[in-house]
Amino acid sequence: EPEVTQTPSHQVTQMGQEVILRCVPISNHLYFYWYRQILGQKVEFLVSFYNNEISEKSEIFDDQFSVERPDGSNFTLKIRSTKLEDSAMYFCASTGHSLAKNIQYFGAGTRLSVL
Amino acid sequence: AQSVTQPDIHITVSEGASLELRCNYSYGATPYLFWYVQSPGQGLQLLLKYFSGDTLVQGIKGFEAEFKRSQSSFNLRKPSVHWSDAAEYFCATNYRNDMRFGAGTRLTVKP
Repeated sequence: EPEVTQTPSHQVTQMGQEVILRCVPISNHLYFYWYRQILGQKVEFLVSFYNNEISEKSEIFDDQFSVERPDGSNFTLKIRSTKLEDSAMYFCASTGHSLAKNIQYFGAGTRLSVL
Repeated sequence: AQSVTQPDIHITVSEGASLELRCNYSYGATPYLFWYVQSPGQGLQLLLKYFSGDTLVQGIKGFEAEFKRSQSSFNLRKPSVHWSDAAEYFCATNYRNDMRFGAGTRLTVKP
């Protein structure tokens, strides 16, 4: 069964450093998403991406965040200058059609620890 | 405001016992409804979904959920829990491309 893959599974970084979280969505999917789950809290929407541009973003997704689809398979989330409060599990998801109708498939997540 | 509520943070059941996990939503209209399960170190796996039609939906791993419009609820059930069902369960809604998750319910299964 096709799946969304995320690397690395755990990323440790120093505060102020830049990190890039990587995702390989399901190959024929068109819509891509990032979510964040701070330990013990809800899964929160960060951003959606379609046709090589951001389609929606939440208030969490400020200027320190960016997303990119550098080639036909990868979808990345960059955090420019990490803060302690960025420590969380980050999930990538993809779907083949309009979000409103189709199911989002999630990766296993990347746990980001900012020290 | 749109919201998804899972009233139970943690539930413990004995193996073989029945299970019901509660989910309520607050929207002006009926959103699409989902249940996801997250095992330790794993991603979010879809258990089942409701878009329209029959209000009792069947999912994977023997789970089912019932949509009750009058109660704005979408509770997850399983008649006989297995030890492997121990995980975190998330109810989620999607309304006009706005996907939201509940806080999750952690399920512990006693031998």
